[in-house]
Amino acid sequence: DIQLTQSPSFLSASVGDRVTITCRASQAISGYLAWYQQKPGKAPKLLIYAASTLQNGVPSRFSGTGSGTEFTLTISSLQPEDFATYYCQQLQYFPRTFGQGTKLEIK
Amino acid sequence: QLLETGGGLAKPGGSLRLSCAASGFSFRSYTMNWVRQAPGKGLEWISSISTTGDFQYYADSVKGRFTISRDNSNNSLSLLMDGLRAEDTAVYYCAKFGSSDHWGQGTLVTVSS
Repeated sequence: DIQLTQSPSFLSASVGDRVTITCRASQAISGYLAWYQQKPGKAPKLLIYAASTLQNGVPSRFSGTGSGTEFTLTISSLQPEDFATYYCQQLQYFPRTFGQGTKLEIK
Repeated sequence: QLLETGGGLAKPGGSLRLSCAASGFSFRSYTMNWVRQAPGKGLEWISSISTTGDFQYYADSVKGRFTISRDNSNNSLSLLMDGLRAEDTAVYYCAKFGSSDHWGQGTLVTVSS
């Protein structure tokens, strides 16, 4: 099974900061990677699919890059509504594993 | 839209059946999935089913206990959960992944004596 390891697990940042979250896969996944945002009590929301394609309606301050085993999600200028937990997920192999999550908190 | 029903309280060793009603898209065209989230924990993919229902996939944590199925004529997805354990306590989401990603609001399953 493919393991996804996100770093960091916790991130404290301020409004306006640029932040990057990394997702490392235990083996190459050819770009079949998605990023989600989840707020308490809500279902996850898709931000990025195919590693770098911005989902319709998602602000352009979110971007995704990467291939093979290393992927990143960048938020260029944090807004108050961005404080949430972020997950990566690989969609190439079963089981469709998620990373453990990165909780982004207000500094 | 995806709407899950069927959650509730079950005893250890008991059974529950979750359902997910789909609308607003061509249900039969998509692989469908169940994902769960234990209280305070991360997301866990647990099962997927192919468009025709011919292929099912399970996480090791539920293999042999849970059964996924679908009814394309009624645009519905199901998850039959047998042999429930305390560690199955979670919010269960049905979801379709990819560019047309959509998730239901989730249904809470609590396993406790």
